[in-house]
Amino acid sequence: NAGVMQNPRHLVRRRGQEARLRCSPMKGHSHVYWYRQLPEEGLKFMVYLQKENIIDESGMPKERFSAEFPKEGPSILRIQQVVRGDSAAYFCASSRQRSTDTQYFGPGTRLTVL
Amino acid sequence: AQTVTQSQPEMSVQEAETVTLSCTYDTSESDYYLFWYKQPPSRQMILVIRQEAYKQQNATENRFSVNFQKAAKSFSLKISDSQLGDAAMYFCAYRSAGASGGSNYKLTFGKGTLLTVNP
Repeated sequence: NAGVMQNPRHLVRRRGQEARLRCSPMKGHSHVYWYRQLPEEGLKFMVYLQKENIIDESGMPKERFSAEFPKEGPSILRIQQVVRGDSAAYFCASSRQRSTDTQYFGPGTRLTVL
Repeated sequence: AQTVTQSQPEMSVQEAETVTLSCTYDTSESDYYLFWYKQPPSRQMILVIRQEAYKQQNATENRFSVNFQKAAKSFSLKISDSQLGDAAMYFCAYRSAGASGGSNYKLTFGKGTLLTVNP
């Protein structure tokens, strides 16, 4: 009964590189949400996806950030040309069929940009 | 927009004692959900308790209970018989339950309260 899986747990990138964060939702869950936690802050909503569809990306920075949830495989949060301000913990959550179900979180990926 | 405020950046409690963490929120909606999440040093976000706004009865989960005051927009978490494993950052969160859809999936979090449990 695996929970939400995220990898890698820790990711170090130099400025200008690309970061790819992966999230596998709980079994039977088809809704995925990404949140970002900056130091000393609570989590902030970034994007909501269902299989092959982006439902709401209103919390995503307009440039350099993208997300996908393909028919097969994990959800991917991609950050191009990372900058120091992207350093944060990125959490993925998933829920069952209905978007109003309780969201269960993964362990997060801590991104450090040097 | 909804906001969630946790006015206590840090709290401490003696093992086996009781502690209450405060949370207030601002919303114009009448139907919503409130949550407490726990984030231990491992940084995993763990759901502690959930409250539906339409329910007058306060939610309880073993040693964890809430005091939900809808009119005052207050949602405090009480931890009884505190244990060393309760030490963590605690986040209060809000989510709309709007039937029209809207943003009824976005969780809005407070900044958290760091709880220390002293042996």
